Amino acid sequence: KAGVTQTPRYLIKTRGQQVTLSCSPISGHRSVSWYQQTPGQGLQFLFEYFSETQRNKGNFPGRFSGRQFSNSRSEMNVSTLELGDSALYLCASSLVVSAYEQYFGPGTRLTVT
Amino acid sequence: GIQVEQSPPDLILQEGANSTLRCNFSDSVNNLQWFHQNPWGQLINLFYIPSGTKQNGRLSATTVATERYSLLYISSSQTTDSGVYFCAVRPGSGYALNFGKGTSLLVTP
Repeated sequence: KAGVTQTPRYLIKTRGQQVTLSCSPISGHRSVSWYQQTPGQGLQFLFEYFSETQRNKGNFPGRFSGRQFSNSRSEMNVSTLELGDSALYLCASSLVVSAYEQYFGPGTRLTVT
Repeated sequence: GIQVEQSPPDLILQEGANSTLRCNFSDSVNNLQWFHQNPWGQLINLFYIPSGTKQNGRLSATTVATERYSLLYISSSQTTDSGVYFCAVRPGSGYALNFGKGTSLLVTP
C-alpha cells in the first residue's frame, strides 16, 4: 500500500507570495492533519480535516488555511508569506480521526527569502 | 496544554550498545506514538502504544499510562539508528498529536 505523498518536496518563495502544498493520504484513510516543524518551535499542529471538513485548528494565524477534497486529498495554503514561515511542513493521515495511529509523509521543505 | 518531555536530549552510543529513551507526559492520553525522523525529515512510525508493551526486532516500547511515561528501548544499536526520536501524544481531551522536543541519537562505528 502506498504511503502518504506530499508535493512539492522543496519550494523557495519570496516574502509576500502565497504557496499551496498538497498531500495525498494512504488509500482508505479519511483524516489528514498538517504540522509545521521549525528548529525553534519543534513540531506544531496546524489543522485536521475529516470528510472535507476542518475538524480542528492549531494556534496559527488566518494566513494558514487548508481544504480537503472528496477523495481525501488535502491542500494547505499560506498567504502573504513571512520569513518565519520557512519550515518543514508535514502531512499525516489516519484511518478515521487523529486518535488512531497517524502516518506521516516525507514533508515539503519551504524556504521563504 | 499537555506537556511532553523527552530525555535525554542527546545521546552518543557506540555500535552494539543498548539505550533507553524516556517520554513523560502531563495528562492522560489516548494515543502515543514513537517516531524516528530520518535525515531527510520524514517521520517513520516505530510504535503506536497508548499502553502496554510492544516489540519490533531490536526495538521495544513500554507505556505505563497510569504513571504517564513511555520508554523506547534500542538494543544492539546500529549506525542506521542515528537520527532524532520523537514521542507524540494525543490527550484524551485534545485532538492533535503533541510532540516532545526529541532525543538526538548518534551511533558511531
